[in-house]
Amino acid sequence: TQLLEQSPQFLSIQEGENLTVYCNSSSVFSSLQWYRQEPGEGPVLLVTVVTGGEVKKLKRLTFQFGDARKDSSLHITAAQPGDTGLYLCFRSGSGTYKYIFGTGTRLKVLA
Amino acid sequence: KAGVTQTPRYLIKTRGQQVTLSCSPISGHRSVSWYQQTPGQGLQFLFEYFSETQRNKGNFPGRFSGRQFSNSRSEMNVSTLELGDSALYLCASSSGSYQETQYFGPGTRLLVL
Repeated sequence: TQLLEQSPQFLSIQEGENLTVYCNSSSVFSSLQWYRQEPGEGPVLLVTVVTGGEVKKLKRLTFQFGDARKDSSLHITAAQPGDTGLYLCFRSGSGTYKYIFGTGTRLKVLA
Repeated sequence: KAGVTQTPRYLIKTRGQQVTLSCSPISGHRSVSWYQQTPGQGLQFLFEYFSETQRNKGNFPGRFSGRQFSNSRSEMNVSTLELGDSALYLCASSSGSYQETQYFGPGTRLLVL
């Protein structure tokens, strides 16, 4: 199977702290997306990374695609309670594994 | 543009029954994908429809089926419900191009008793 493993699975931190979430795969992928899902809603796209080594910034969020295109990370600087949610990495493939979501990282930021 | 809508939002069924869920994509989108989300298995791909044809299928039993209409609206059906089918069912729409962004609806929460 073409799994996307995320770590950590759960994260509870204080407002203002920094954190990093990882997404790893045993296979190479052409692109990867990060989504955030809040309770009662569907996932919402944060970013798409395409090139190995690519770094993208979205306000306090920094996304990196590994050089070998097998892993990605999401770094949040000075987390805020509004960052609370389920963070999911995602890739598209083919056939049965057309769309694969990562195992998810549930983040809670305490005020 | 209106977002992806799903109906109903909540549903309670008993084992052995069948259920039909509906998804209306964003106007102009021709691809609709369905996912099952559970605490134990996470988000898993069920199937994708594009222009009324099933284009891809995940690893789910035949009790899970779907269809898409000419206006791109989609339905999924689960027959002979099992307790393990309790989940949040999400649909997503996109234009259907390779690696195009998927836009998700709020989901239908199904509880099987």
